[in-house]
Amino acid sequence: SAVISQKPSRDICQRGTSLTIQCQVDSQVTMMFWYRQQPGQSLTLIATANQGSEATYESGFVIDKFPISRPNLTFSTLTVSNMSPEDSSIYLCSVEDTGLAGINEQFFGPGTRLTVL
Amino acid sequence: GQSLEQPSEVTAVEGAIVQINCTYQTSGFYGLSWYQQHDGGAPTFLSYNALDGLEETGRFSSFLSRSDSYGYLLLQELQMKDSASYFCAGGGDDKIIFGKGTRLHILP
Repeated sequence: SAVISQKPSRDICQRGTSLTIQCQVDSQVTMMFWYRQQPGQSLTLIATANQGSEATYESGFVIDKFPISRPNLTFSTLTVSNMSPEDSSIYLCSVEDTGLAGINEQFFGPGTRLTVL
Repeated sequence: GQSLEQPSEVTAVEGAIVQINCTYQTSGFYGLSWYQQHDGGAPTFLSYNALDGLEETGRFSSFLSRSDSYGYLLLQELQMKDSASYFCAGGGDDKIIFGKGTRLHILP
């Protein structure tokens, strides 16, 4: 099973600035996923990041606003650009890996809690 | 489009049994998963159904009916620590989509 770390765990940012969130996995994985979760809400998939190719963005999310890097099989970054208060949310990195029961599971990082003033 | 529908919240008594339902509409569906998320924590995997029927893991069971596009999570012998949000998630097209989550309140 994969163990995922994220940095920073939380941040408070000013409107108009950008924040880059880092995600590190302890094993090589093909696909990494970035989700956003508003407090008390569900997880919304932002994009899927594959190593060596452009990220695939979901409807409502664009590369200019959420550029993603995937330089290798264990690391990815998500940048939230030109932030506004509406971007305040928890951002979660996730990977799919085989769990203890031999089933493919999605493992999540601890999340980055972003507050935009 | 892809969507998963589940109740927004459910209340049950400690020691009882509770069922959380999920209906879905996803393209290329290959299975239904359930995740638990405590306040302030990350989602954690509970169970997965690829085939119709019941999967049991300790106090938790999950059921899937592909013909009905329906599944449920069954929690038995409820404990206060089970108070959390529960998400059903459907897989398809190389990504997983999550339902809006069901907040489970447990009364002593």
